[in-house]
Amino acid sequence: AQSVTQLDSQVPVFEEAPVELRCNYSSSVSVYLFWYVQYPNQGLQLLLKYLSGSTLVKGINGFEAEFNKSQTSFHLRKPSVHISDTAEYFCAVTGSYIPTFGRGTSLIVHP
Amino acid sequence: GAGVSQTPSNKVTEKGKYVELRCDPISGHTALYWYRQSLGQGPEFLIYFQGTGAADDSGLPNDRFFAVRPEGSVSTLKIQRTERGDSAVYLCASSPTGSMDTEAFFGQGTRLTVV
Repeated sequence: AQSVTQLDSQVPVFEEAPVELRCNYSSSVSVYLFWYVQYPNQGLQLLLKYLSGSTLVKGINGFEAEFNKSQTSFHLRKPSVHISDTAEYFCAVTGSYIPTFGRGTSLIVHP
Repeated sequence: GAGVSQTPSNKVTEKGKYVELRCDPISGHTALYWYRQSLGQGPEFLIYFQGTGAADDSGLPNDRFFAVRPEGSVSTLKIQRTERGDSAVYLCASSPTGSMDTEAFFGQGTRLTVV
């Protein structure tokens, strides 16, 4: 069994400030980790993924995430956000062939 | 190239009616998933197809829900005797092979409202 916890349902931040969206997972097997973004009125799209190797993963739009096996975390970060980053962000884990998603974190960027 | 297409984008139905939701995956993708997303929640797994067969339907909430993929491409999610609690956004996703290290490509979803 696998599960994903995104503790923050909403993260408000000012434009050009840094942001971190938290994700913790649990699984009885080795996993692959993903972050997806959902812009208003659009489908989910992949931001980045961790498969193996370097624990720091870079994705699109300046986002990056760090895999921490001991803390079972995969937090998403961006050093400077833009208004256009306002969206819903979902962390997902696959330890089987079915991706399991967290509840999502709404990132709200204020001017 | 075309992405995952879901039709209709919105569906309003009366309680007790039957509905069908359609998903056209990316051409050549063998894996297809259906998820349900309620307000303020993440996608909740319903069913997974590998080719024409349902490899895992453990997420279907009850026997009112059924899905098919007869030719290994288009899939239809069918809901009988709809209830107000079935109101949600139904998401379809496809993947080239369904392997664990591959991303899922999502459609924009069908918003189902049961009144």
